[in-house]
Amino acid sequence: ETGVTQSPTHLIKTRGQQVTLRCSSQSGHNTVSWYQQALGQGPQFIFQYYREEENGRGNFPPRFSGLQFPNYSSELNVNALELDDSALYLCASSYRLNTEAFFGQGTRLTVV
Amino acid sequence: GENVEQHPSTLSVQEGDSAVIKCTYSDSASNYFPWYKQELGKRPQLIIDIRSNVGEKKDQRIAVTLNKTAKHFSLHITETQPEDSAVYFCAAGSDSWGKLQFGAGTQVVVTP
Repeated sequence: ETGVTQSPTHLIKTRGQQVTLRCSSQSGHNTVSWYQQALGQGPQFIFQYYREEENGRGNFPPRFSGLQFPNYSSELNVNALELDDSALYLCASSYRLNTEAFFGQGTRLTVV
Repeated sequence: GENVEQHPSTLSVQEGDSAVIKCTYSDSASNYFPWYKQELGKRPQLIIDIRSNVGEKKDQRIAVTLNKTAKHFSLHITETQPEDSAVYFCAAGSDSWGKLQFGAGTQVVVTP
């Protein structure tokens, strides 16, 4: 069992609202990546944070934003929620950039 | 950008038989190829990975092969067991192993 934890586990929001998801990386890990996994699909890379700086971004609009704290935990913020944002949001932490990534259990977001 | 294709989308095997899942990638800069297993409602779990300087890697009943020239990599599971039933994802990464492009997944069903 990995030490990557996410909160909350489930969340229901209304279209147009804003949401913040949280990720605590495994002890000693300084890199956090966020993914969106729609039902029946593979995870899609949103962005990565390395030592509190964004280190790459996937094909997601600016209303998806994030940050990483000095303790390397991270947040994913989504503004102006749309129905298509309903998905499982996963974070993954790594010890360094070129080491294995371990996933948290995810946050299931439902937008109604 | 990176594009990872995965086949087949579903795979049914009898217990004890072998299962093979194949992936192709497009980005020549890719140098890291992990495989994740995801059981229903759970996090993706890293089961094996291979780096571009290695052609084959084995861990008990699981093996992965990589053909850099053809940009193909495959997962082989021997002596399948019912607990191998899950969705398997291949992925490819380059400058950061947490920044991955995933395939669409293969639903493996092992029947007793």
